[in-house]
Amino acid sequence: ETGVTQSPTHLIKTRGQQVTLRCSSQSGHNTVSWYQQALGQGPQFIFQYYREEENGRGNFPPRFSGLQFPNYSSELNVNALELDDSALYLCASSFIGGAGANVLTFGAGSRLTVL
Amino acid sequence: GENVEQHPSTLSVQEGDSAVIKCTYSDSASNYFPWYKQELGKRPQLIIDIRSNVGEKKDQRIAVTLNKTAKHFSLHITETQPEDSAVYFCAATPGGYQKVTFGIGTKLQVIP
Repeated sequence: ETGVTQSPTHLIKTRGQQVTLRCSSQSGHNTVSWYQQALGQGPQFIFQYYREEENGRGNFPPRFSGLQFPNYSSELNVNALELDDSALYLCASSFIGGAGANVLTFGAGSRLTVL
Repeated sequence: GENVEQHPSTLSVQEGDSAVIKCTYSDSASNYFPWYKQELGKRPQLIIDIRSNVGEKKDQRIAVTLNKTAKHFSLHITETQPEDSAVYFCAATPGGYQKVTFGIGTKLQVIP
């Protein structure tokens, strides 16, 4: 059984550029959530994907978008990067079935720096 | 939507002492309350969780309590050790397909 893996681990972009972050979910999980963690803050919910569709979204603008693939892996895309987008982006996978709790397993994160 | 408040933001204790971190939540529909530990430069890891049908749960030196009426839940660490030094996050969710909302985090420092 493999855990949640994210790539790249670190990257530097300039304002206005676009970035794609990738996440492979843990074996047996069917849901991927993305969180943004600014320095010294708690993780902020961006959105969640289940069955390849967005299933819930936090207070992030449309330039934050995502995809989930049939193998449950996921991408986070951010367009028109701004300085405030600099943060650690965490992917978390979980298994959602019935009314059970959404127990998250996190990846190590992708640290994005926007200059 | 759910709002989770956590305090204190920083906490320093002597090795062997106890540490308590407190959280409140706003959504009465929340029924699952996990706690995560994040060591410097590492991923958040689930250390304990509690569901709304119980008031307390223990796992060795760690315990969590829940007061549904007051919408409070707390993490208790006894006999603290230097390796307990980390940032601890509380969280809440109504479960199912609903998002997990995190607190701002508590940086715990255990002084040897």
